[in-house]
Amino acid sequence: QVQLQESGPRLVKPSETLSLTCAVSGYSISSGYHWGWIRQPPGKGLEWIGSIYYSGTTYYNPSLKSRVTISVDTSKSQFSLKLSSVTAAETAVYYCARHPGAGTGGCYFDYWGQGTLVTVSS
Amino acid sequence: EIVLTQSPGTLSLSPGERATLSCRASQSVSSNYLAWYQQKPGQAPRLLIYGASSRATGIPDRFSGSGSGTDFTLTISRLEPEDFAVYYCQQSGSSPFTFGPGTKVDIK
Repeated sequence: QVQLQESGPRLVKPSETLSLTCAVSGYSISSGYHWGWIRQPPGKGLEWIGSIYYSGTTYYNPSLKSRVTISVDTSKSQFSLKLSSVTAAETAVYYCARHPGAGTGGCYFDYWGQGTLVTVSS
Repeated sequence: EIVLTQSPGTLSLSPGERATLSCRASQSVSSNYLAWYQQKPGQAPRLLIYGASSRATGIPDRFSGSGSGTDFTLTISRLEPEDFAVYYCQQSGSSPFTFGPGTKVDIK
């Protein structure tokens, strides 16, 4: 059973850097799938932030690209998100999720973490 | 960026009825890489359909997806009580991956 679990500070100050980690269990993080971050402001829709392959190849949403870094640690079976210079508008539930690469029905998110609410406030 | 529009915003139906949800893209979705998700309050989204019409593992056959190009549909043939939720479409035909704003299916 594939399981993903987000962890990290729940409260971040404006202009600081949001940092989250997603621990993957039940599946090898190096076995061909990609790993992504999606966020959802309270009561609103979903926004893809970016994704990473176990090799370290990353791809980001252009709207956030200048502030986002996603990295992977295969030895710990986890991947991480850093989002710099955050504002209150970026208060959201942050999800990590797994998706296949292109060419296999698309990059659909088949396994998700439970999500973690990160509040940006002073 | 491909913008997805979902309609209606809210669908009020009774258990046993048929639900038809629409997702329209601002440009053609390459290879029909369109997925549908169900989300209940306080939960992560759940994958229902990928590749426009393929059901994900464990999804009941009352859920079906159809469409191509810019117009896609999710149909729930007979609503069960557990189907009342918000439904999102998502495209991955081109980057960035984008989601629609959602359709809420509530109990009439």
